[in-house]
Amino acid sequence: DGGITQSPKYLFRKEGQNVTLSCEQNLNHDAMYWYRQDPGQGLRLIYYSQIVNDFQKGDIAEGYSVSREKKESFPLTVTSAQKNPTAFYLCASSNPGTGTEAFFGQGTRLTVV
Amino acid sequence: AQSVTQLDSQVPVFEEAPVELRCNYSSSVSVYLFWYVQYPNQGLQLLLKYLSGSTLVKGINGFEAEFNKSQTSFHLRKPSVHISDTAEYFCAVSVSGSARQLTFGSGTQLTVLP
Repeated sequence: DGGITQSPKYLFRKEGQNVTLSCEQNLNHDAMYWYRQDPGQGLRLIYYSQIVNDFQKGDIAEGYSVSREKKESFPLTVTSAQKNPTAFYLCASSNPGTGTEAFFGQGTRLTVV
Repeated sequence: AQSVTQLDSQVPVFEEAPVELRCNYSSSVSVYLFWYVQYPNQGLQLLLKYLSGSTLVKGINGFEAEFNKSQTSFHLRKPSVHISDTAEYFCAVSVSGSARQLTFGSGTQLTVLP
């Protein structure tokens, strides 16, 4: 089945620790995205990548880092600099172009304890 | 830059009643419009999209939406809802040529009551 796989589904982190969220897609999409979702705020773009070895900051990139070494993979690291990391994180992919929709993974819920 | 406003954060409705979820957008250029649905602790699933052509767009699960350029709206409708339609619904916009893909509204929680 083609799709986007995020792992783990639930993640707990101690304050001061970095943690990496995995996102893999087998849709052969060029573009990948990371969104953060908080109650009542919709989805906010953290980082996006249009092509391997290139990525751009979104609206709320501070305290996050990404890499895009392979077309299929776009991991997100939540660093200790992120002041309020508890949230639901969604990865998406698409083929950039006219009106193509994004396909989403099932999300990772990160909780800082 | 474009933006999306979903006017209602919560919409309760009885089963088999009609529903309309409102979405307005602002953009200085042509846009593409989308509605997504999210069930609890799940990702987003595309309901329907407007790219061009007919302003009435039909999607999955009996939903439809109408693009109104003069009112910059893209309201989602269903003539008769089911309990299983209870979910959060997001309106989103993308701009032609934009690499940033989607800008989302804040979401509308639809709750269908028995």
